[in-house]
Amino acid sequence: DTGVSQDPRHKITKRGQNVTFRCDPISEHNRLYWYRQTLGQGPEFLTYFQNEAQLEKSRLLSDRFSAERPKGSFSTLEIQRTEQGDSAMYLCASSLNPSGNTIYFGEGSWLTVV
Amino acid sequence: AQKVTQAQTEISVVEKEDVTLDCVYETRDTTYYLFWYKQPPSGELVFLIRRNSFDEQNEISGRYSWNFQKSTSSFNFTITASQVVDSAVYFCALSPNGANSKLTFGKGITLSVRP
Repeated sequence: DTGVSQDPRHKITKRGQNVTFRCDPISEHNRLYWYRQTLGQGPEFLTYFQNEAQLEKSRLLSDRFSAERPKGSFSTLEIQRTEQGDSAMYLCASSLNPSGNTIYFGEGSWLTVV
Repeated sequence: AQKVTQAQTEISVVEKEDVTLDCVYETRDTTYYLFWYKQPPSGELVFLIRRNSFDEQNEISGRYSWNFQKSTSSFNFTITASQVVDSAVYFCALSPNGANSKLTFGKGITLSVRP
């Protein structure tokens, strides 16, 4: 049974560079979520997809952030012109419709912007 | 607006002690879901339990038990006979029963179990 997988697990980048994270959800799950977690805090919702449609974006998701799920399977989260404040763990999660179903998380992608 | 408060930030116990992690939530929804997740040092959030707001029965799973009290908006988590492997950060989370299932998390409680 394959869980949610994320790649890369760790990324160190220089300020101003672009980075992209990939998430592969559990295969039959039609919902996919992105969360961000900083040290000492709980995860915060960024955005979610139902199949390939991006249905909601948090105000935390500035215009430097873009997420896609082109074929309703894997998803990418791109951060352009990274800033030091973007340093965090980016968590991907997936679930099945309907609402209230358990959301399963991946191991996260750590981003450090230097 | 949804809010989850985990007032305890760090708890340290000796192995075999019982420990209770508190969670208080706020929501205007009449139906909602409550969750507990465990986050070990590896970073992955491990699902522990989901509770529907209509179901106020307490639940026990091995050494874990959960006490849901709608009257006080609390969903507390007790670990009986704690073990070193229980050391982790524990998050309580709330999800509305609406069009999406996005979770609102508390800040988490760091539990350290000493041998």
